[in-house]
Amino acid sequence: QQQVKQSPQSLIVQKGGISIINCAYENTAFDYFPWYQQFPGKGPALLIAIRPDVSEKKEGRFTISFNKSAKQFSLHIMDSQPGDSATYFCAASRIQGAQKLVFGQGTRLTINP
Amino acid sequence: SAVISQKPSRDICQRGTSLTIQCQVDSQVTMMFWYRQQPGQSLTLIATANQGSEATYESGFVIDKFPISRPNLTFSTLTVSNMSPEDSSIYLCSVEFLQETQYFGPGTRLLVL
Repeated sequence: QQQVKQSPQSLIVQKGGISIINCAYENTAFDYFPWYQQFPGKGPALLIAIRPDVSEKKEGRFTISFNKSAKQFSLHIMDSQPGDSATYFCAASRIQGAQKLVFGQGTRLTINP
Repeated sequence: SAVISQKPSRDICQRGTSLTIQCQVDSQVTMMFWYRQQPGQSLTLIATANQGSEATYESGFVIDKFPISRPNLTFSTLTVSNMSPEDSSIYLCSVEFLQETQYFGPGTRLLVL
């Protein structure tokens, strides 16, 4: 019940295209869903996060879509750029108490120029 | 956001030895966490570092193997004890900021020979 399943494992997108990464969770107690971006040799950096009281959140080229009934959420990267090439992790946690993040398996995104 | 530093950034250690990793934050934070990221894998929570009390360990991780200290609200250490090649990983500390956002340090890359 603590799992977060992420797909695809790897993704190749042409420059200017839309990158879409999907995650599904099981624990309905989760109420915070962040996405992290990790470049080689670096720690994960918070990209964008959403709470289940909204269905969509947009920050610049990055959008989270959230479907509470399906227990799924996704990251959309519009106008994908070579600089977006990185590994992306979705995660989930409960805000109350210690915020123990449960991470998805990660998606290695490559944007071809 | 919080600025997090870790020392050392990387190390190569011999089997059977121990390594202590330091995590320093530039502001006082209530919650600090330690994660492990095995090569090419996702992040797994090792423990929550509690200030003034014993750390809270996740299933599969024990205090004898991963002793943690948290002497104040800006500093924590994780020791990897009696290391084996299977301990080769990236070890990351993170802090919870503003009750929901979690920021990660740059990581310590450990190779055990």
